[in-house]
Amino acid sequence: QKEVEQDPGPLSVPEGAIVSLNCTYSNSAFQYFMWYRQYSRKGPELLMYTYSSGNKEDGRFTAQVDKSSKYISLFIRDSQPSDSATYLCAMSYNDYKLSFGAGTTVTVRA
Amino acid sequence: SAVISQKPSRDICQRGTSLTIQCQVDSQVTMMFWYRQQPGQSLTLIATANQGSEATYESGFVIDKFPISRPNLTFSTLTVSNMSPEDSSIYLCSVDRPESSGYTFGSGTRLTVV
Repeated sequence: QKEVEQDPGPLSVPEGAIVSLNCTYSNSAFQYFMWYRQYSRKGPELLMYTYSSGNKEDGRFTAQVDKSSKYISLFIRDSQPSDSATYLCAMSYNDYKLSFGAGTTVTVRA
Repeated sequence: SAVISQKPSRDICQRGTSLTIQCQVDSQVTMMFWYRQQPGQSLTLIATANQGSEATYESGFVIDKFPISRPNLTFSTLTVSNMSPEDSSIYLCSVDRPESSGYTFGSGTRLTVV
């Protein structure tokens, strides 16, 4: 079993829709949770970082962490074509060695 | 946040040869990380490079295959040695973000071994 499982996608949504991305994990020692966005032929870019259960908002993005269920989500509201990318969840127990999900490719159709 | 320049951005190499990838950061950082991203798979940490000490390799990665140098606080290299087609992948360097949590990544090196 992989440490981090991410919904594989791909996802295709119309502009303005809500995008929901999910990851589950098996290591209960994970305490730092991140979402990265990766455009084609670019490196991952940090979107959200959190270390507590609950919701964290940043503009159109909401990160949700449920440690009891070992489940994290990223929601993108009012999605735009510029949100088309691969989204990677990542987590860590010591804030330096990251374990990544395989990524979900999202396409937002204009 | 730190700006990372990674070279080359892509290369096509013959099997049995070696390729050295360079990672230059615009500010001093304590730790630099090297990752591999294979198609359809998770980013996998190869090793952690600290200046002035030997790199720390993750399970499944060995120094003879992936030698790393870290001569100063802004630069590191990763060499992929004696390459085979199975080494075809994207290789990324990453540094921690002193101004906040999380990590900054370079744009990656897309390696194809033929």
